[in-house]
Amino acid sequence: EAGVVQSPRYKIIEKKQPVAFWCNPISGHNTLYWYRQNLGQGPELLIRYENEEAVDDSQLPKDRFSAERLKGVDSTLKIQPAELGDSAVYLCASRGQTEDEQFFGPGTRLTVL
Amino acid sequence: QKEVEQNSGPLSVPEGAIASLNCTYSDRGSQSFFWYRQYSGKSPELIMSIYSNGDKEDGRFTAQLNKASQYVSLLIRDSQPSDSATYLCAVYTGRRALTFGSGTRLQVQP
Repeated sequence: EAGVVQSPRYKIIEKKQPVAFWCNPISGHNTLYWYRQNLGQGPELLIRYENEEAVDDSQLPKDRFSAERLKGVDSTLKIQPAELGDSAVYLCASRGQTEDEQFFGPGTRLTVL
Repeated sequence: QKEVEQNSGPLSVPEGAIASLNCTYSDRGSQSFFWYRQYSGKSPELIMSIYSNGDKEDGRFTAQLNKASQYVSLLIRDSQPSDSATYLCAVYTGRRALTFGSGTRLQVQP
């Protein structure tokens, strides 16, 4: 069974530029999460989707961040414009309907210069 | 007070010893608890889940849960250098998302 897929793996941009991250969850997993992990910290939730519905986006900085999961499968997280403080690893995770375990993708390491 | 607290370490143990990693959480209503292992530059990998008070064993790993004390621990027996990583404790909150500790860095000395 394929795991969570994310792309790109690395991204370097200058501040004020836009950037987008893509995630394809484990097949059949209805719940999709985006987390952000800063160096030396644990991942922190940005947004949670149940199918195509964003059910928890309270931690998403909505002035510059947006996300979508149009068909309830893959998802895109966008930052526009990026700031220096956005440098972090952006992790996507998914969870099946009848289980609590979450599985993470490899992450996208974003560097904002 | 952080929702999930871990000692950042590093915790250094000799090869073959037992490594004991600890975690406390603040939400008394939490029901599901997880340990993830994260190698440097990699994403978190789920190694243990525990839902009931007591011990749960899987190979060299044992998770222990005490809901009354709001305490979760992970024991790694016969520690190997390949176990050297950061171990993240994670707890489900009412928001149905994981809240993570900052992680404990484990170093196993050959």
